[in-house]
Amino acid sequence: EPEVTQTPSHQVTQMGQEVILRCVPISNHLYFYWYRQILGQKVEFLVSFYNNEISEKSEIFDDQFSVERPDGSNFTLKIRSTKLEDSAMYFCASRPGLLTGELFFGEGSRLTVL
Amino acid sequence: AQKVTQAQTEISVVEKEDVTLDCVYETRDTTYYLFWYKQPPSGELVFLIRRNSFDEQNEISGRYSWNFQKSTSSFNFTITASQVVDSAVYFCALRGMEYGNKLVFGAGTILRVKS
Repeated sequence: EPEVTQTPSHQVTQMGQEVILRCVPISNHLYFYWYRQILGQKVEFLVSFYNNEISEKSEIFDDQFSVERPDGSNFTLKIRSTKLEDSAMYFCASRPGLLTGELFFGEGSRLTVL
Repeated sequence: AQKVTQAQTEISVVEKEDVTLDCVYETRDTTYYLFWYKQPPSGELVFLIRRNSFDEQNEISGRYSWNFQKSTSSFNFTITASQVVDSAVYFCALRGMEYGNKLVFGAGTILRVKS
């Protein structure tokens, strides 16, 4: 069964360092998302991506964040200068098309900022 | 505004008890989708069900059942004869056109099933 894969599963970094989280969405999907879950809290929307551009972003997704789909298969989230409060589980998700409701989530990448 | 409320922060039951997880939503959309996801201790998000706003028929899948009532904007989830493996955080979520088709999650309900 096709699935969304994310790497790394866990990354520990120092405050101020750049981090890139990688995702391989399901191959025929068109919409891509990043969500964040701070430990013990709700899952929050960060950004959606369609047709090679950001279609929507939340207030959380400030200038420190960027997304890219560099090669037609990978979908990356970059945090330029990590802060302690960026420590969270980051979920990538993809969806086939406009009328299909279900998002397929990856297993998440846990980011710990020290 | 698009919003999902899961008023129950945590529920504890003994194995074999039935348990209902409540979900109330708000949206101005006429077309929307409702979801339940399970997050076990390992952390991944597991899709359980999707319902669209035009289909109010309740659904049963094994020990799981869902009650969608548009009149009360609720989409409740019942686990019959709960098992220890059901212990997880359960999230209700909503996707509509109002906020660009993104998925909005409730705060989640922690379910603890004790043997």
